[in-house]
Amino acid sequence: DAGVIQSPRHEVTEMGQEVTLRCKPISGHNSLFWYRQTMMRGLELLIYFNNNVPIDDSGMPEDRFSAKMPNASFSTLKIQPSEPRDSAVYFCASSFLGGQVGELFFGEGSRLTVL
Amino acid sequence: GESVGLHLPTLSVQEGDNSIINCAYSNSASDYFIWYKQESGKGPQFIIDIRSNMDKRQGQRVTVLLNKTVKHLSLQIAATQPGDSAVYFCAENPQGSNYKLTFGKGTLLTVNP
Repeated sequence: DAGVIQSPRHEVTEMGQEVTLRCKPISGHNSLFWYRQTMMRGLELLIYFNNNVPIDDSGMPEDRFSAKMPNASFSTLKIQPSEPRDSAVYFCASSFLGGQVGELFFGEGSRLTVL
Repeated sequence: GESVGLHLPTLSVQEGDNSIINCAYSNSASDYFIWYKQESGKGPQFIIDIRSNMDKRQGQRVTVLLNKTVKHLSLQIAATQPGDSAVYFCAENPQGSNYKLTFGKGTLLTVNP
């Protein structure tokens, strides 16, 4: 299996621009997570989908952030408008959850820099 | 709120030595713990996990120890190799959640040849 695939790997944009990050989870996994990683706050859960349905979005910072999962093989995280404080590495992870939490498989991340 | 506590300390060891990375957690209700390894420019990679009904679990060259009395978790790496150089995170799963993982801030392990 190719693992979790994220794109773009790097994104540099200017404040106010829209940013869309993409994720293809591992086939057969029923759960998808978006995490944000910064030096100050470490790894933070932004949103969790189960069977394509958002279950927990309490970690989404504010209305500028939105995430979708239109089907089992694709998810997006959108920031509009972007701000410099959004600069971070954004990770997508997938898992098969059968009742108990288990191993998460992470993608290689999308490094976002907002100028 | 409660969180797994690491402040990105650094551990430097010689190749071939054993490494011990520590993690203090504060949520006594957590019942599942995982160690992840993150190499530079990559995503976290699962190493080993342990449930709260165990106090020790061994993998290939790695051992995780759980001391629930003092809420302490450790990762032992035997015969450390240059490829083990990375940031190591512990994560805890609060009891009652089947998906939440709270990550610590990580420990940077540097292996000197």
